[in-house]
Amino acid sequence: SQQGEEDPQALSIQEGENATMNCSYKTSINNLQWYRQNSGRGLVHLILIRSNEREKHSGRLRVTLDTSKKSSSLLITASRAADTASYFCATDPLYDYKLSFGAGTTVTVRA
Amino acid sequence: DGGITQSPKYLFRKEGQNVTLSCEQNLNHDAMYWYRQDPGQGLRLIYYSQIVNDFQKGDIAEGYSVSREKKESFPLTVTSAQKNPTAFYLCASSIATGSYEQYFGPGTRLTVT
Repeated sequence: SQQGEEDPQALSIQEGENATMNCSYKTSINNLQWYRQNSGRGLVHLILIRSNEREKHSGRLRVTLDTSKKSSSLLITASRAADTASYFCATDPLYDYKLSFGAGTTVTVRA
Repeated sequence: DGGITQSPKYLFRKEGQNVTLSCEQNLNHDAMYWYRQDPGQGLRLIYYSQIVNDFQKGDIAEGYSVSREKKESFPLTVTSAQKNPTAFYLCASSIATGSYEQYFGPGTRLTVT
C-alpha cells in the first residue's frame, strides 16, 4: 500500500529557481526518505530524516518533517538541468519492515 | 565497484511464458527487495528477503515467485499467472530491513505480448 503522497504531481521551473515538493502520509513513522529517479533508471537515495528530526540539509537539498501534520517537504535550491527527474518520498512506518513509496513528483528544469 | 546489477535491461516475452529477472549485489547487504513500477506511478513491493533462505510477500506477490539461495542473488520469476506483467521491475538492497537506505539496480523493462 502506498502511504506517501507527493504534491504536486508535476513541476516545471526555470534553471536557477527553487523547487519545492511535499509528501503527506497516513500513519506514524520511524523515518522518511527521499529518492530521485532519472527517466528509465533506478532510484537514488537523497536524504533520510528521522521522526525526531525537523530539518535536514544535504548540499542544495533541504528536507523538513512535521510529524504532527504527517508531512514532509523537499526543497531543491538553485536548480540545474541535471535536477530534472522524478522525486519520491518513502515512509518507514512504525512496526513494519517495509518502505512505502508515493507516486512521485516529476520535476522539469528548463534551461 | 560495489552495487546492484540487474539483467537484462530489456526483456520481451510471449504471453504464457515464465520469465526470470536477475538481481545481484556485492554490497554484503542482508535485505533485498523487488518492486514493480507502472507508468506515472510509485513503486509497489512484490517480495522482500531479510536474510538468505527467507523471503516474504509484499503488496502484490500474486503471479510472482522468488528465491534467495545466496546472499548476493535474489532472482524474480514472473509466471504466466501474472495477469498484467508488462512493467518496469526494480531490485534493491539494504543493510537490513526497516530504517535503512535502499540501493537500487538500474531496472529491467519487461514487455509481454
